[in-house]
Amino acid sequence: SQQGEEDPQALSIQEGENATMNCSYKTSINNLQWYRQNSGRGLVHLILIRSNEREKHSGRLRVTLDTSKKSSSLLITASRAADTASYFCATDEHSQNFVFGPGTRLSVLP
Amino acid sequence: DARVTQTPRDKVTEMGQEVTMRCQPILGHNTVFWYRQTMMQGLELLAYFRNRAPLDDSGMPKDRFSAEMPDATLATLKIQPSEPRDSAVYFCASGDRGALRFFGPGTRLTVL
Repeated sequence: SQQGEEDPQALSIQEGENATMNCSYKTSINNLQWYRQNSGRGLVHLILIRSNEREKHSGRLRVTLDTSKKSSSLLITASRAADTASYFCATDEHSQNFVFGPGTRLSVLP
Repeated sequence: DARVTQTPRDKVTEMGQEVTMRCQPILGHNTVFWYRQTMMQGLELLAYFRNRAPLDDSGMPKDRFSAEMPDATLATLKIQPSEPRDSAVYFCASGDRGALRFFGPGTRLTVL
């Protein structure tokens, strides 16, 4: 069974707009990560947020974590066409064996 | 620029044939993972190794799949015999003591 579930499944926005994706999970975690996958490529790590952190920034990315709601969000500000990709959250279950959600497909239209 | 490499990048084979996929993890990483990605199932963890020892292969069909790490620089995933339902992209990823996973480019397998 999948630990992380992203929503929405697909998101289409105009260049310059902000994109927000959400991830919900079921059990307690040590950390949560977001990855990006361009079509036909491997996943690339974007950001890791630990269970004792509430918010983290990296460039145009902002990740929040609410452990009480077992949810996280990824915000991409001022989106660009190059941000078009699938975005996955991954959570650990106090082990190395963490699993990925089904992903959100983001399309940024020029 | 250290990265995970995988070979072959693409493989087309006929049902019943043996398929071997190879992965070279990032030097110094002690954990290696095999994932399979399909449209229907998404990313599934097949197996992972720590310090070359298999820790979990519960995601792998045992009757036809096998994963090994002959040495620290090579991980293999073998399917024998292959079936059309095995068609997918197979990713190898490596990691060190931290939580990050570094993914290879994948092997796109098509079984006819």
